[in-house]
Amino acid sequence: DGGITQSPKYLFRKEGQNVTLSCEQNLNHDAMYWYRQDPGQGLRLIYYSQIVNDFQKGDIAEGYSVSREKKESFPLTVTSAQKNPTAFYLCASSAGQGAAGANVLTFGAGSRLTVL
Amino acid sequence: GESVGLHLPTLSVQEGDNSIINCAYSNSASDYFIWYKQESGKGPQFIIDIRSNMDKRQGQRVTVLLNKTVKHLSLQIAATQPGDSAVYFCAENRRSGYSTLTFGKGTMLLVSP
Repeated sequence: DGGITQSPKYLFRKEGQNVTLSCEQNLNHDAMYWYRQDPGQGLRLIYYSQIVNDFQKGDIAEGYSVSREKKESFPLTVTSAQKNPTAFYLCASSAGQGAAGANVLTFGAGSRLTVL
Repeated sequence: GESVGLHLPTLSVQEGDNSIINCAYSNSASDYFIWYKQESGKGPQFIIDIRSNMDKRQGQRVTVLLNKTVKHLSLQIAATQPGDSAVYFCAENRRSGYSTLTFGKGTMLLVSP
């Protein structure tokens, strides 16, 4: 089955700790994205990557970091600098720039991070 | 399930009724407008999109209407089924050919049997 796998599904972190969320896709998509979802606020874009070894900040990148060393992987690190990290994090991919279906994001099932 | 439904506008309908979910957008320059559906505990799924030079597009049991004069987008679901219960998000794509979408806050649709 082609799709996006996010892990872990639930994660607890103490204040001051960094945590890395995994996102892997086997869709051969060029572009990958991280969104944050909070109750009543929709989805907000954290970072995105159109191609391997390149990524751009989204609307709320402060306190987060990413890497894109492989086409299929786009991990997100929530650093201790993120002031309010408790949220539901969604990873997505698409065929990428200029491709038909650029409006179609394929999402993973999400990772819920809770800071204790 | 996830608590993403808190504080969302909610539309409650009976099975078999038609549903209309509305969305106001702000950016007149957006190239595409898109609807996504998010079921409890899952990531959003693409439903349908419409280009800004169109005012109506139909899919299977769904119709999207775009009124650029009042910056309004709607999703109509015909013969709503319990499986349609979900949170529905409208989104804008401001850069044609890219996928950096801007999402609205969502509307929860509850379908009673």
